[in-house]
Amino acid sequence: ELKVEQNPLFLSMQEGKNYTIYCNYSTTSDRLYWYRQDPGKSLESLFVLLSNGAVKQEGRLMASLDTKARLSTLHITAAVHDLSATYFCAVKMTGTASKLTFGTGTRLQVTL
Amino acid sequence: GAVVSQHPSWVICKSGTSVKIECRSLDFQATTMFWYRQFPKQSLMLMATSNEGSKATYEQGVEKDKFLINHASLTLSTLTVTSAHPEDSSFYICSARDGGQFRVDQPQHFGDGTRLSIL
Repeated sequence: ELKVEQNPLFLSMQEGKNYTIYCNYSTTSDRLYWYRQDPGKSLESLFVLLSNGAVKQEGRLMASLDTKARLSTLHITAAVHDLSATYFCAVKMTGTASKLTFGTGTRLQVTL
Repeated sequence: GAVVSQHPSWVICKSGTSVKIECRSLDFQATTMFWYRQFPKQSLMLMATSNEGSKATYEQGVEKDKFLINHASLTLSTLTVTSAHPEDSSFYICSARDGGQFRVDQPQHFGDGTRLSIL
């Protein structure tokens, strides 16, 4: 059974600071996603990571994947209030057709 | 880009009634759609995989007779919560992947979710 864990579960940080969210998974995967969810809303796709060493960046967010360590990171650079949301990683296990297992989520609160 | 429409967005009903939620892919065909449930401040839990023209595949612990899934066309899947009770109150989200896109990095597209409140 695939398990996906995120750390931290909750993060409060000041604007302008940097931080990294971690996503660990327990079995081999051929695809890892990062999503953002605002309160009461559905999920917005941020990144899709396919291979070991993959790195993608969009604005102040950068995601990376280490398949050997079964670890993905979401790095926040110079946080701004608009980044406040819950961030989920989701893993597609190798051999399963598009079925995703979601991490526990990290609620990010960026304070002024 | 690909859009998934979910309807209704919020429904409140009395205990014992059945509620149908629709999930439509608006500009692509989806042979497979997924139904998730999310309790407050928790992650998304996959309930079932909906396959067009065949029976849905339910995750362990999900009652197939309570959560009826129909995927009659390539653009529509429905989830019916039968004889709903307060413990069924949750946020239900569907997702779909564009079956016509062969890029491996194609993400799943999520509907806006349905907030179900059973009194």
